[in-house]
Amino acid sequence: DTAVSQTPKYLVTQMGNDKSIKCEQNLGHDTMYWYKQDSKKFLKIMFSYNNKELIINETVPNRFSPKSPDKAHLNLHINSLELGDSAVYFCASSQGVGRARNEQFFGPGTRLTVL
Amino acid sequence: QKEVEQDPGPLSVPEGAIVSLNCTYSNSAFQYFMWYRQYSRKGPELLMYTYSSGNKEDGRFTAQVDKSSKYISLFIRDSQPSDSATYLCAMSAGSNDYKLSFGAGTTVTVRA
Repeated sequence: DTAVSQTPKYLVTQMGNDKSIKCEQNLGHDTMYWYKQDSKKFLKIMFSYNNKELIINETVPNRFSPKSPDKAHLNLHINSLELGDSAVYFCASSQGVGRARNEQFFGPGTRLTVL
Repeated sequence: QKEVEQDPGPLSVPEGAIVSLNCTYSNSAFQYFMWYRQYSRKGPELLMYTYSSGNKEDGRFTAQVDKSSKYISLFIRDSQPSDSATYLCAMSAGSNDYKLSFGAGTTVTVRA
């Protein structure tokens, strides 16, 4: 059973297009995250939702919009894609704010290439 | 200066050697420390989770935390080619702190 899953695994698209990435976790966690990993492997937090409520919103262009329909799902929509958006995007989840443990569990990643 | 510093390597060792990885940090409020392993083209997977100072051992892996020096280490004994991966340290101030601060990751290759 996959704990944190993402679709699609690969996404190749043209500049200016709009695309979405979906994430689902079956761990029963309350908190979910989106990270961007650049070519140098550095993981940068973008957004986090706790029980469908936005709790982290880092300095990210407003072309990026997260949406959490329920606490098991967190999607990322990107408008007007730019070359610099090319990266691997990871979804993660954790038990939740105030729980005993705060480690995060990551999905397999979505490799986005903007041409 | 970054909040968490980690030498990106790369680090290449022969099979059977001890791999030593470390991170330093500047935020004295950090109490929870994690090590993640990331294979090429995969997501990070949690390897070790420790709270406050001290050592934790799990099989061939040992995590050490020295809060007085703001320094954490991961040791891999009897390294195997399957240990070849990027290792990322991560830390947070408390269980209410859902935001992890990551190191840049160290790429390790274990030569057969």
